[in-house]
Amino acid sequence: EVHLVESGGGLVKPGESLRLACAASGFTFSGYSMNWVRQAPGKGLEWVSTISSSSSHIYYADSVKGRFTISRDDAGNSLYLQLNSLRDEDTAVYYCARSKGGAYDYWGQGSLVTVSS
Amino acid sequence: DIQMTQSPSTLSASVGDRVTITCRASQNISNWLAWYQQKPGKAPKFLMYKASNLESGVPSRFSGSGSGTEFTLTISSLQPDDFATYYCQQYKSSPYTFGQGTKVEVK
Repeated sequence: EVHLVESGGGLVKPGESLRLACAASGFTFSGYSMNWVRQAPGKGLEWVSTISSSSSHIYYADSVKGRFTISRDDAGNSLYLQLNSLRDEDTAVYYCARSKGGAYDYWGQGSLVTVSS
Repeated sequence: DIQMTQSPSTLSASVGDRVTITCRASQNISNWLAWYQQKPGKAPKFLMYKASNLESGVPSRFSGSGSGTEFTLTISSLQPDDFATYYCQQYKSSPYTFGQGTKVEVK
């Protein structure tokens, strides 16, 4: 059974950094593109970043480009998102999600990031 | 970026009703469309891909149709477990974008 478990969220001040992790199990992690999708409180879903298998292709939403960095550790079956220069508008639940084509077939339970002074 | 617009934003319905949600794309996305269901405090659940292909394990009362710019998600007979928010998502062109959501609530 596929499981994705996020960790690393918390309360930070504007300008600070945070690193999210997503532990994957139940599938061959190295064979899949992986994604981060976020949801601000009471709002809809927003794609954040994608990393292909073998990390050969990486994409970011314009809203986070230059501030966030996605990476993966295939040996450890883990996905990461480094969040730097955080802003109030980055407050959201961050989900990791597995790619199925360009759709997302499995999602973690989410990790809440709150940016507030 | 491709804009996805869902209608209605909120839909009031009763158990047993036939429910239809519409999703419109700002440009042609062929059939590169997915649907998700989300309940409060939970992660989205993947329902459908390529506009009309039901993901394994999803009840057959869910169906999808459309191509190009207009798509629909239909629930043939609404069940208590179906009250939730539904999102469409295009994956024709990056950035892959979602609709704003349609909340299906109890009438």
